[in-house]
Amino acid sequence: DTGVSQNPRHKITKRGQNVTFRCDPISEHNRLYWYRQTLGQGPEFLTYFQNEAQLEKSRLLSDRFSAERPKGSFSTLEIQRTEQGDSAMYLCASSFGQGENYGYTFGSGTRLTVV
Amino acid sequence: QKEVEQDPGPLSVPEGAIVSLNCTYSNSAFQYFMWYRQYSRKGPELLMYTYSSGNKEDGRFTAQVDKSSKYISLFIRDSQPSDSATYLCASPKAAGNKLTFGGGTRVLVKP
Repeated sequence: DTGVSQNPRHKITKRGQNVTFRCDPISEHNRLYWYRQTLGQGPEFLTYFQNEAQLEKSRLLSDRFSAERPKGSFSTLEIQRTEQGDSAMYLCASSFGQGENYGYTFGSGTRLTVV
Repeated sequence: QKEVEQDPGPLSVPEGAIVSLNCTYSNSAFQYFMWYRQYSRKGPELLMYTYSSGNKEDGRFTAQVDKSSKYISLFIRDSQPSDSATYLCASPKAAGNKLTFGGGTRVLVKP
């Protein structure tokens, strides 16, 4: 297990279509996070899971967005009825540890282009 | 006002120079601080992770935290063209919590 894996790497979709992204975290990591990053900006938090429980959702996560983490393993992020404003890099991260030994590892992201 | 602020740059330096990057934060609840490096079209990669005020060194990288001023810094010694990237500072309010990122500073190291 070499890191956080995200698929697909790139997705081009037409406005109004639904898209789903997958994240496979580092296997021993119990927390999984989704972020969105637009050009020239830092990543913005969307939601996170501890095991299979979704603990927090950002106000950025409109009702067109849904995330799941069945059985506390991989996670999926679905965007329904995509809009051009959804075009961004969607990053997944996972973490495990306590105190100063906490580590957050990011995947390479899924770049979404809505045309 | 964003909770974590960075100058967007770009910061251009000649190869071999010291790169100095800064970040300010507004929320006293932030206790842990991280610096990530992000190459174009890639995910962020963790460089440094600090908790206490003071300095932490790792190879060519030194992270500095001043909690009284809510100011964190990253220094890169003997910079190389391969250090050209965007550098992001980030903090969770507690270990394991979501990270709040600054906007990133783009660095260009010219050969």
